[in-house]
Amino acid sequence: GQNIDQPTEMTATEGAIVQINCTYQTSGFNGLFWYQQHAGEAPTFLSYNVLDGLEEKGRFSSFLSRSKGYSYLLLKELQMKDSASYLCAVRPMFSGGYNKLIFGAGTRLAVHP
Amino acid sequence: KAGVTQTPRYLIKTRGQQVTLSCSPISGHRSVSWYQQTPGQGLQFLFEYFSETQRNKGNFPGRFSGRQFSNSRSEMNVSTLELGDSALYLCASSLAGTDGYTFGSGTRLTVV
Repeated sequence: GQNIDQPTEMTATEGAIVQINCTYQTSGFNGLFWYQQHAGEAPTFLSYNVLDGLEEKGRFSSFLSRSKGYSYLLLKELQMKDSASYLCAVRPMFSGGYNKLIFGAGTRLAVHP
Repeated sequence: KAGVTQTPRYLIKTRGQQVTLSCSPISGHRSVSWYQQTPGQGLQFLFEYFSETQRNKGNFPGRFSGRQFSNSRSEMNVSTLELGDSALYLCASSLAGTDGYTFGSGTRLTVV
């Protein structure tokens, strides 16, 4: 089967660092994506990992361990505008097509002053 | 450059009716995927089209269908609407697949 787990909600303080975890079990693996979605808006692409390790992009970093079926998204120097849902998505290897993603339910992050 | 355009933004339909949603991908993108987003189920894959061919399909009943035109624009159709079809329908386009999707703003469908 295919399963992606991430915490439902998290809270953090402006200026702090927060780590959002994602664990997955899928039929093969061909990449993991993180998306940000503000309420009432479309998801926007944040990062893509296909090999183990850390990918850094400004205040956002994403880590992947394929052997553990684990990823995290690290947000540094939190700003109020970072309050949003963060979606972890996996592209299974044998999806029968190249662009089918399996999404987790999302983590709702609230940043407080 | 223009993003992914979905029309209409909002739609209210009655049970039993059918609905057609439209998606224009980013220029040059040939892959278009459709997702249904609900509070309870999150984002669920409906189907993907590439060069007018359906490449992949999710676990939705046959009432959900789609197509893609030669200019890469895509439409999805839902027939015999049910209350449970109320959701945000998102279209996403991609150039190569490795760069992630770009999502449109979605069509919020309400079935009453």
